[in-house]
Order: sequence, then C-alpha cells, then structure tokens
Amino acid sequence: QSALTQPRSVSGSPGQSVTISCTGTSSYVGGYNYVSWYQHHPGKAPKLMIYDVSKRPSGVPDRFSGSKSGNTASLTISGLQAEDEADYYCCSYAGGYTFVFGTGTKVTVL
Amino acid sequence: EVQLVESGGGLVQPGGSLRLSCAASGGTFSTYGLHWVRQAPGKGLELVSAISGDGAITYYANSVKGRFTISRDNSKNMLYLQMGSLRGEDMAVYYCASGPEFAYTWWGQGTLVTVSS
Repeated sequence: QSALTQPRSVSGSPGQSVTISCTGTSSYVGGYNYVSWYQHHPGKAPKLMIYDVSKRPSGVPDRFSGSKSGNTASLTISGLQAEDEADYYCCSYAGGYTFVFGTGTKVTVL
Repeated sequence: EVQLVESGGGLVQPGGSLRLSCAASGGTFSTYGLHWVRQAPGKGLELVSAISGDGAITYYANSVKGRFTISRDNSKNMLYLQMGSLRGEDMAVYYCASGPEFAYTWWGQGTLVTVSS
C-alpha cells in the first residue's frame, strides 16, 4: 500500500488559516468515508484530531475541521495558534484491519 | 478511557530478535483491533501489523511479512509483536494503537527499537 500524498510543509501566521491536503486513490480516501487526521508533536504520542472525514473527538478545538472531495481529503486549521505547530498525518481505512497513512505535513506557525 | 503502555524496546544487533509488549487498561480489550504503528527516524507513520479483537485475523506490512508475528492475550489485556531478522530499516519508535471505529483513538507513548552492531 502506497502512502497517501501530503505537502511536506505548510505555514501561517497566528490567527490565519492553513489547509493540508491528503491525496489518495479510489481505493483509499475515495473509497471510504473513514479518513482520520493526527497531530504529532516530537517525542509524544500522536493525537486523533479528526475521524470519519469531518468528525471531531471530544476535546479537540473546533478550529480543526476536515473534509473530502473525491480522492482528496483536507484538514483546515483556522485561527492558527502557536501550539498547533506540529506534524500532521492523514490516514485512510484500507479494508480489513488495515490503514494507510499520509506522508506527513509539518505545520509551522510563523 | 483506554490506556496503552508499550515495553520491550531496546538495542539489538542486525539479524537479532526482540519482543514488544503493549499493556491495555480501561476498556473492553477484546472488543477492539490492535495495531502496531512505527515511525523511523525522519520518516512518517507506518502501519506495521494489526490483529482483530479475537486474534483470528492478522495483517502485516510487506516490509515485515515473514519476520514479525503479532499476537494478543485477551485474558491478560496484552498485545505482542515478536520481531525477528531485524534490519536497520526496522529501527523506529513503535506505537501500540487502537480505537472503537475506523481511527486510532488511543495511542501508547511508544517504545524505541534500535538496530545496530
């Protein structure tokens, strides 16, 4: 299974919005409405930010939103804050008990 | 809330073996599939292996097929990954992860596997 394609990095100033794309195929991303997004600070466990394309777990700020169109999913962070600086990974259910991750995007708050 | 704690990482020589463990607490352990996800230095997240709630179904990434074996003991709330014929590219932080739906809601803190002579 090939990794999903994400931009290597995105950046924005505090208060701005950034969007991270996640491009897959009709088998991954396009085939299921089971795309999730994870925030990963170095040395810590990844944290679930979005699941089922656009649902937010309890405790995740509503500044984080997800969407999908065709084979591309997106994560938008609105009102960017310093603590949002981290690596972000998309992930798609791939059938059976398998998932495929994206290549990862480093978000920098300028 | 489910908590996952990995152990068993360490330094191993190329070609060697290591067994990782993941202790789960706070949930109905046998209900959920369990996964091992790794992150090699400077790389992204990669699903290594997965096992169904009853242990009947397993998955292995092509890169570890035939070398790694995943198993679970629901009576002890434990997940294992037996790793053999270890290579430099297996060096990574290994996370135990799980969730009630099609996402990884719960993650352990990770255990570091270093493969070096």
